[in-house]
Amino acid sequence: GAVVSQHPSRVICKSGTSVKIECRSLDFQATTMFWYRQFPKQSLMLMATSNEGSKATYEQGVEKDKFLINHASLTLSTLTVTSAHPEDSSFYICSASGDRGNYGYTFGSGTRLTVV
Amino acid sequence: EDQVTQSPEALRLQEGESSSLNCSYTVSGLRGLFWYRQDPGKGPEFLFTLYSAGEEKEKERLKATLTKKESFLHITAPKPEDSATYLCAVQAIRQGNKLTFGGGTRVLVKP
Repeated sequence: GAVVSQHPSRVICKSGTSVKIECRSLDFQATTMFWYRQFPKQSLMLMATSNEGSKATYEQGVEKDKFLINHASLTLSTLTVTSAHPEDSSFYICSASGDRGNYGYTFGSGTRLTVV
Repeated sequence: EDQVTQSPEALRLQEGESSSLNCSYTVSGLRGLFWYRQDPGKGPEFLFTLYSAGEEKEKERLKATLTKKESFLHITAPKPEDSATYLCAVQAIRQGNKLTFGGGTRVLVKP
């Protein structure tokens, strides 16, 4: 089946530093990747959509300069949280869709970001 | 605007006590409705995709059904390992391949 690997699973960083989260599709080509944010006991909130080789499309209210998304290849997308602050602490999850002939989406295992 | 509402927010069941979760949706042109299971601290795990009213899909103790306005996830004779949050999401034709998620139903199955 389709597998999406997300790293790191947990990261703690100091306020003002930047953190990069990687999302890789291991056995398929991910033409589109999605980045979500999830607060405790809440559902997934879509942050941005990225297509390979194109600029990401951000949802309303999401700061593109704070959440930098790169989708340089068909198997890798990265989310960089720049100048992180405690309010950026959250659970970040990626998902990917690609050449599987259906509209199913596979999710990564998520990254717990804590900014101290 | 596409909307997805799940009910109840939380559900406590005794082992073996069957129940149903509801996902009501409003979307202009449904491409697909998705059900996921999410365990704490993990990403969602894909369960089913339903494409048209009347469609049903089953997997072990889970069965998903779809009408033009809502979907149900039936859990038959649940076991403690079925405890999780169940998420419903819709994909609208005009939204490309974006998913809109409901708030989820937290299910706890007690032995």
